[in-house]
Amino acid sequence: NFMLTQPHSVSESPGKTVTISCTRSSGSIASNYVQWYQQRPGSAPTTVIYEDTQRPSGVPDRFSGSIDSSSNSASLTISGLKTEDEADYYCQSYDSSNQVFGGGTKLTVL
Amino acid sequence: EVQLVQSGAEVKKPGESLKISCKGSGYSFTSYWIGWVRQMPGKGLEWMGIIYPGDSDTRYSPSFQGQVTISADKSINTAYLQWSSLKASDTAMYYCARQEEVTSDFDFWGQGTLVTVSS
Repeated sequence: NFMLTQPHSVSESPGKTVTISCTRSSGSIASNYVQWYQQRPGSAPTTVIYEDTQRPSGVPDRFSGSIDSSSNSASLTISGLKTEDEADYYCQSYDSSNQVFGGGTKLTVL
Repeated sequence: EVQLVQSGAEVKKPGESLKISCKGSGYSFTSYWIGWVRQMPGKGLEWMGIIYPGDSDTRYSPSFQGQVTISADKSINTAYLQWSSLKASDTAMYYCARQEEVTSDFDFWGQGTLVTVSS
């Protein structure tokens, strides 16, 4: 089984850009899609990025995803931060038999 | 409109059994996977397993294999998560979510079912 490791927390000011990383412990990050979810307190998660880089309709283009094979990691970048972006963010991927969530990153916009 | 509606909150004692449900509507229930995700208080998301109601193909996380049973009744568009003997450590919010393929994202989620296990 593999793991996805995220920073526990990040913080940044409104209007700035923040990047959240997600490092895969084994197996190639590029071989299996990575999804990113946003979860606000008291709510179910919602997808902000799917298939590494794709944005669902309704998600602002301030949200973008990328893959870096050299570090075996995926990244979620949020530009032009707004206070409404404050939430927990989770990456998720899979292998042939299992699906895994990262531990989650708490984004504070202060 | 796609909806996944979960059964209500439960309060149980250790050792009791429980079955919670997730009813899908607004789409072809047999053509999508339904996954279950645990979120313990103040903690992150954990993938428990998935079922394809079309043929009942079921897969479990190694962490949850043998601890829970996932099933579905396609005649009533409902998936289930059940325990035969609850522990205090099963206290958590449980979400069901829809997935087109096992490689896809979970695109629709239920509202969650809070399970509290306490003596």
